[in-house]
Amino acid sequence: NAGVTQTPKFQVLKTGQSMTLQCAQDMNHNSMYWYRQDPGMGLRLIYYSASEGTTDKGEVPNGYNVSRLNKREFSLRLESAAPSQTSVYFCASSEFQNSPLHFGNGTRLTVT
Amino acid sequence: QQPVQSPQAVILREGEDAVINCSSSKALYSVHWYRQKHGEAPVFLMILLKGGEQKGHEKISASFNEKKQQSSLYLTASQLSYSGTYFCGTEEDNNDMRFGAGTRLTVKP
Repeated sequence: NAGVTQTPKFQVLKTGQSMTLQCAQDMNHNSMYWYRQDPGMGLRLIYYSASEGTTDKGEVPNGYNVSRLNKREFSLRLESAAPSQTSVYFCASSEFQNSPLHFGNGTRLTVT
Repeated sequence: QQPVQSPQAVILREGEDAVINCSSSKALYSVHWYRQKHGEAPVFLMILLKGGEQKGHEKISASFNEKKQQSSLYLTASQLSYSGTYFCGTEEDNNDMRFGAGTRLTVKP
């Protein structure tokens, strides 16, 4: 049972390049989330999807877009990467509201 | 709005107790607690729900004061394995889960 799988694990981009971070869960969870983690800042919510077919902005959505492709998959896209987007990105899922979050192992993104 | 955690860091000897606090300026529906080891993903410890239901870890306890919009995590008889960064996460009446900046706990032999 894989849980939450994120790809890639590491990525280096140049300013202005685009890329998509992939996330898939095999637990039949309804809700999925994207967070970024910077030193001393904790986890900050970028976007979330309460259920298949819905997405909502979190606290730091600027520069990102998301797609809830189906119940299993929730992708995060950077259209034009900036050095300020250098961070560790975590995807998470939960069965329902107020259920535990299950996190993927993260993607370390560096933008030069 | 992110919850506020205190203290930012704490150092303990094995066997000592610790309390980590989390507070919010908004009415809360639930409070979550997670622990993260260096270089790893956060791992679920506990959920406290409005109305008093609590789900979580057998060796760690927590409280949730709905009126004061505060939660505290109690770590008793700490072990070396308790070291890590502890995050509280808060939900209002939607799925918008926000986390505090974390409390770094170090347990020494």
